[in-house]
This record gives sequence, C-alpha cells and structure tokens, in this order.
Amino acid sequence: KQEVTQIPAALSVPEGENLVLNCSFTDSAIYNLQWFRQDPGKGLTSLLLIQSSQREQTSGRLNASLDKSSGRSTLYIAASQPGDSATYLCAVADYGGSQGNLIFGKGTKLSVKP
Amino acid sequence: GAVVSQHPSRVICKSGTSVKIECRSLDFQATTMFWYRQFPKKSLMLMATSNEGSKATYEQGVEKDKFLINHASLTLSTLTVTSAHPEDSSFYICSAETYYGYTFGSGTRLTVV
Repeated sequence: KQEVTQIPAALSVPEGENLVLNCSFTDSAIYNLQWFRQDPGKGLTSLLLIQSSQREQTSGRLNASLDKSSGRSTLYIAASQPGDSATYLCAVADYGGSQGNLIFGKGTKLSVKP
Repeated sequence: GAVVSQHPSRVICKSGTSVKIECRSLDFQATTMFWYRQFPKKSLMLMATSNEGSKATYEQGVEKDKFLINHASLTLSTLTVTSAHPEDSSFYICSAETYYGYTFGSGTRLTVV
C-alpha cells in the first residue's frame, strides 16, 4: 500500500531564504506526483505536476524534482516570501487503481517571516 | 483553463438534514470526478469516483447510501450528504483530471450542529 511522508511537518524561515521541502513514497510505481499548496480555509492549488517519466518541473521560483527509484521528491522554493506561507502537500497517483486515487502526505506547514 | 467550480464553500446544517455539494467543470468536460474528504490534521482521502452516466465507485468504508453521488452530465457532479451527523463535519473537495494534471474545486467546509 502506497504511503506518502512529508518532512518536516512544519518549517519557519526568514524572508529571502531558499528552502527545500521533502516528500517520500513507498511504492515507486507511480503515475505522477503533484505538489499542492493549501491556504487556511481554502482549497488546494496545484503547483507542479511531474509525470513518472520526468525528473523535474519548474514554475517561477518553484522547482520540483522526482527520483522514482529512491521514492523521493523535493520542492525547492527560491527567495522565499511571506506570501509563500501555507501548507504544502505532495500527492502521488498510483498506476494500479483509478488515476484519481491520489495519495497525499500530511503536508509541511511553511511560515516565512518578514 | 480547466476550472472546477465548487459550491457552497461553507455550510452549516442541523443534524439529520441533507446537504448537497456541487462541482461544475467550467471550461472542459469532466468524464470523471473525484470526491475527497479531509478531517483536521489528516490527509485528504478519496471517498468516491463518479463517472458521467454511471454509478459512482466508493472507497472502502464510505457509505454509498449516506454519500449520494450523481454525475448526470459531463460538467456537473454532486455529492449529497444525507442525514448528516456531527461526525460528518469535514472539508469536502472534488477534483477532475485534465491535461495539466488534477484540478480541484475550492472545497466545502461542512459543519453539522
């Protein structure tokens, strides 16, 4: 059974710092991996989607990498800003079941202090 | 593009009543819609998968008679929580797969009092 773990659970950094959020999964047979952002009281916002054949995706100050063999993904945030404060979730989609069966980690709560 | 509109965003209802949550795909056709539930401090969990024109597929442990899902058209899927109880209070969110990945509705915060 696929399990997704995110470390750390919470992170507080000063503004301007570069940071890395980690996501690990137990079964490397994934369809894709996606990073989301969740603001309090809001729905999930998709940040980056990495297909199983890809190794990384970039969007602005965000860069996500995927190493299927080791079961790891990282989300790199450059030059963090207070507006980046949110909970970041990673989720993997399995091959086996429905492609909608996203297995989520519990998230990393990021706080960027001005 | 690929927007899913979910309503209501928040709802408070009395125990025993039913609540309907709607998800509409605004600029694409969603053959399949996924419904998730998230309890506080827990991961988002898949409840059911709805396919247009057919019966929904429920995950183990999810009561299909309690959580009625209807996907009558390619742009609308609804989740009805019947005879809601306080333990049904949760964050419900729908999603559909698009070319760009999964797109989510904005979620519904249900509080049953």
